[in-house]
Amino acid sequence: NAGVTQTPKFQVLKTGQSMTLQCAQDMNHNSMYWYRQDPGMGLRLIYYSASEGTTDKGEVPNGYNVSRLNKREFSLRLESAAPSQTSVYFCASSEQGGWAEAFFGQGTRLTVV
Amino acid sequence: KQEVTQIPAALSVPEGENLVLNCSFTDSAIYNLQWFRQDPGKGLTSLLLIQSSQREQTSGRLNASLDKSSGRSTLYIAASQPGDSATYLCAATMDSNYQLIWGAGTKLIIKP
Repeated sequence: NAGVTQTPKFQVLKTGQSMTLQCAQDMNHNSMYWYRQDPGMGLRLIYYSASEGTTDKGEVPNGYNVSRLNKREFSLRLESAAPSQTSVYFCASSEQGGWAEAFFGQGTRLTVV
Repeated sequence: KQEVTQIPAALSVPEGENLVLNCSFTDSAIYNLQWFRQDPGKGLTSLLLIQSSQREQTSGRLNASLDKSSGRSTLYIAASQPGDSATYLCAATMDSNYQLIWGAGTKLIIKP
């Protein structure tokens, strides 16, 4: 029973490099989210996908893009990484937005040097 | 704009004590409230979800309550154990917007 799976778990990037964080859920959930968590800032929503085929900006979308590849997968792309994007990134899913229980992946710890 | 506050930011208690964690919200028009646990270096685990029509939810030694009129939810942990040490976060969902609005969390340490 995998739940929400994120890859990679750790990544170090140089400033200006690009990368894609992968997320997949096996619970047939409609909604998926990308958050970042920084000390003293709490959880901040980057992008979300209410259902397959839709994506919307959250609180801190600048510097990121997302793709809802299918119902299972929701990826987050950093086109040109900056040190300010050093953070822990979490993917989450739920059956129907915040109206249902949310399930989280284990996180990706990203360092941009 | 809905705001969710968790006070205190950190709490340390001896093992075996019953304790209460607090979560306050400014707008009573919430749809539900969720409590999560986060262990260091790990993701968040959902503990309890309370719908606005409910007053309480229980799971094992955990009991969460919701009082919309006072803008408050509490998470009661009975007979605390060192394994309960973690950061506990609450998140509210509004009727009008189904995104989660997060508190900053309470870091709980249970001393053996």
